[in-house]
Amino acid sequence: GESVGLHLPTLSVQEGDNSIINCAYSNSASDYFIWYKQESGKGPQFIIDIRSNMDKRQGQRVTVLLNKTVKHLSLQIAATQPGDSAVYFCAPRGGSNDYKLSFGAGTTVTVRA
Amino acid sequence: ETGVTQTPRHLVMGMTNKKSLKCEQHLGHNAMYWYKQSAKKPLELMFVYSLEERVENNSVPSRFSPECPNSSHLFLHLHTLQPEDSALYLCASSQAGASTDTQYFGPGTRLTVL
Repeated sequence: GESVGLHLPTLSVQEGDNSIINCAYSNSASDYFIWYKQESGKGPQFIIDIRSNMDKRQGQRVTVLLNKTVKHLSLQIAATQPGDSAVYFCAPRGGSNDYKLSFGAGTTVTVRA
Repeated sequence: ETGVTQTPRHLVMGMTNKKSLKCEQHLGHNAMYWYKQSAKKPLELMFVYSLEERVENNSVPSRFSPECPNSSHLFLHLHTLQPEDSALYLCASSQAGASTDTQYFGPGTRLTVL
């Protein structure tokens, strides 16, 4: 099966700074990638997604970058706020005929005031 | 609110009890999922229903029994659980077959088995 790893299990960020969360995946057939945010006591919440035919996608204060060559993607959060404190997961889909997502252990982001 | 609701939000049960978890999605999706989330571990996919047919059963012990009566509702029936089954149980739904079949999660049921 696919393995998904996040480079750092924890990230401490000063409020107002930018955050970068990295994710490596193993399946070269992965064609669709989702970033989720999970706050304490809640289920994972969709943040942004990207398809494999793109290398960058922007949302509100978030940008996802995809490098298929090295099977790596990152989530950038601009002007990090206290409400951004959560666990972040990247979830690649196995392929266009696969409904399954692979989840790693997540990166815990803590925002310092 | 993601359009996926789960009840109860918290459940404490003894090993000899029988209980059920309920999930309902209001997104018009055709696929529903059960995941288990234990502390410090990645989400584990348990069951998948697509068009009300079970398409995935990930070596889950028989003390967990899913039921999908229609495309909007999903149940997880629990009986004779073990303390190691204590975890957050998450339901998700998606539009299977779509090019971007994003899974949307409910808030989860926090289960404690005594």
